[in-house]
Amino acid sequence: AQTVTQSQPEMSVQEAETVTLSCTYDTSENNYYLFWYKQPPSRQMILVIRQEAYKQQNATENRFSVNFQKAAKSFSLKISDSQLGDTAMYFCAFMDSNYQLIWGAGTKLIIKP
Amino acid sequence: NAGVTQTPKFRILKIGQSMTLQCTQDMNHNYMYWYRQDPGMGLKLIYYSVGAGITDKGEVPNGYNVSRSTTEDFPLRLELAAPSQTSVYFCASSYQGGRVGEQYFGPGTRLTVT
Repeated sequence: AQTVTQSQPEMSVQEAETVTLSCTYDTSENNYYLFWYKQPPSRQMILVIRQEAYKQQNATENRFSVNFQKAAKSFSLKISDSQLGDTAMYFCAFMDSNYQLIWGAGTKLIIKP
Repeated sequence: NAGVTQTPKFRILKIGQSMTLQCTQDMNHNYMYWYRQDPGMGLKLIYYSVGAGITDKGEVPNGYNVSRSTTEDFPLRLELAAPSQTSVYFCASSYQGGRVGEQYFGPGTRLTVT
């Protein structure tokens, strides 16, 4: 069975710093998708970035980028120039061939002013 | 577009009571999902639907039922509520054929069973 592991329950950084959130996963599939979702205190789940496993190039969305290491089954999220509004729970998720998302337990990120 | 809407936002049930959580999307998405999120945990899939009239179990279906009579609506039924069902419930939808995996979430329903 596929699993997703986020080893950092909580992280905090100063505003404008760069922070990296870790995620590892386990699967025997070769083609799949990986995601980072953000859940602010409002509880709304928001897609931050997605990565197709068949693409070698790391995905980037403005201040958010990933470091996708397929052989190591690692998918970390880097947030540059962090802002107070980035404070949230961040979830890593894996999509299997049945289009079902398998979620990590989340990392609570606090951006300090 | 309102996106994905869920009602109610909060609910307290007594053990053994039943209720239906409502979910509606106006994006004409074919896939819809129900998740639960327990404190300090990620989401777990309860049921999902790939289109009207088709539903399937996810990871944690016991104690729940769903139906999908229309594209827009995907209600979740709790029969004989138990304290273990205390959780936050999220409904989501996606369009398979568009950007794979991009699920749109409702605001969630916080349910407490006492």
